[in-house]
Amino acid sequence: EDKVVQSPLSLVVHEGDTVTLNCSYEVTNFRSLLWYKQEKKAPTFLFMLTSSGIEKKSGRLSSILDKKELFSILNITATQTGDSAVYLCAVEDRNSGYALNFGKGTSLLVTP
Amino acid sequence: DARVTQTPRHKVTEMGQEVTMRCQPILGHNTVFWYRQTMMQGLELLAYFRNRAPLDDSGMPKDRFSAEMPDATLATLKIQPSEPRDSAVYFCASGPGQGAGEAFFGQGTRLTVV
Repeated sequence: EDKVVQSPLSLVVHEGDTVTLNCSYEVTNFRSLLWYKQEKKAPTFLFMLTSSGIEKKSGRLSSILDKKELFSILNITATQTGDSAVYLCAVEDRNSGYALNFGKGTSLLVTP
Repeated sequence: DARVTQTPRHKVTEMGQEVTMRCQPILGHNTVFWYRQTMMQGLELLAYFRNRAPLDDSGMPKDRFSAEMPDATLATLKIQPSEPRDSAVYFCASGPGQGAGEAFFGQGTRLTVV
């Protein structure tokens, strides 16, 4: 029944490591896929992806979408302790009136 | 500094009491969402509005929950009567366009029903 599935559910890495977070989805009328970072409070926006194969990049974070295989990845290079958070993937479905369907998130812990 | 403002930030109430949560969306944003977050279910959409009109509230238990936008600067989510299973963080988010897109989230209201 889950429309948006994220993996892994949790991850522990050392500072400096590179991590890849996965998000697969199944919606009837895809509009966009979004990544959010949630620390202790509200989710904060990272990326919005609408086209396949075009990488979005912001500092050490990057993300790409594959609309054929229905998934996206979020990469974080040279991780820092400040990257520790829950990373949420959400998909906009035109058939749901553009509301966001969220995955359960990946909890990332970066240790010193 | 534009932001979504939610009040109260924390609420503890007894079962059976009415709870009202408020949200001030970012000025100019025409789409407003209410989400509930729990450990078990993650973020669930409860309701959303576009141009103050309710578009979808299918995620909301209709018998006890109600959502309204009395004007463009205020959205409310009411629970009456509240139950312990309603304990969660309730987020309001607003967005500038037709879709959710880059929705901006408020800091949330942490509700505990005892």
